[in-house]
Amino acid sequence: NAGVMQNPRHLVRRRGQEARLRCSPMKGHSHVYWYRQLPEEGLKFMVYLQKENIIDESGMPKERFSAEFPKEGPSILRIQQVVRGDSAAYFCASSPGGTWAYNEQFFGPGTRLTVL
Amino acid sequence: GNSVTQMEGPVTLSEEAFLTINCTYTATGYPSLFWYVQYPGEGLQLLLKATKADDKGSNKGFEATYRKETTSFHLEKGSVQVSDSAVYFCALRSLGDYKLSFGAGTTVTVRA
Repeated sequence: NAGVMQNPRHLVRRRGQEARLRCSPMKGHSHVYWYRQLPEEGLKFMVYLQKENIIDESGMPKERFSAEFPKEGPSILRIQQVVRGDSAAYFCASSPGGTWAYNEQFFGPGTRLTVL
Repeated sequence: GNSVTQMEGPVTLSEEAFLTINCTYTATGYPSLFWYVQYPGEGLQLLLKATKADDKGSNKGFEATYRKETTSFHLEKGSVQVSDSAVYFCALRSLGDYKLSFGAGTTVTVRA
C-alpha cells in the first residue's frame, strides 16, 4: 500500500511565478491536510479538505494561496505570484473518513519550495 | 492558542548512548500528545502517542510520558542505533480537533 505521495519533491520558482504542489493521499483516504514548515519553525496547519470540499482553511494566507481536492486526481496547493517568504517545506497528510478527530494522519515526504 | 517547544538540535550521539529530547507544550484542556519521526527522504511517521495524563507511549524502544503538572512529553531511548538518525517532532492535538501543532523538530545523528 503506497503511502502519501507528493510531487515535486523540490521546486524552484522565481518571484512572481506560480507554484503548484500535488498530493496523492493513501488509497482509501478521503481527507487531506496541508501543513507548512517555515525555516526554524514547526509545521503549521494550513487547510483541511475532503473530496470536492474545503472544510477548514483557517491557516491559509488570505491572498495568493488556494487549495483543492477534486473528485478525481490529487489535491493541489497553488501559490500565485510567489514571494521569497513562501520558501518553505509543504507537507501533505491524509486520513480515512469517519470520526476525523481521532484518525491518525499519514504524512507525505514534503515538497521543498525555494523562491529565488 | 496551542504551542509546542522542543529541544533545539542538532544532537549527535554515539551508538548505544542514551537519548533525551525535551518537549513542553501550552494548550487548553487535555490535548493528545505525539512524537513523529522523519527518516531521510521520507514522510513523518507517528512514533508514539499518549492521550491522557500519566499515559506512557512507547514504540521501537522509545518512550514518553504525558506529564500534565509540568506540561511535558519528553522522548527517551536507552540505547540508540545508527538507524535512529532522523528528525523528531513533538506535536499535540486538542480534544475534538484535527489540527496538529508541531514543535520545530530536533535532528538526531547517531554515529557508529
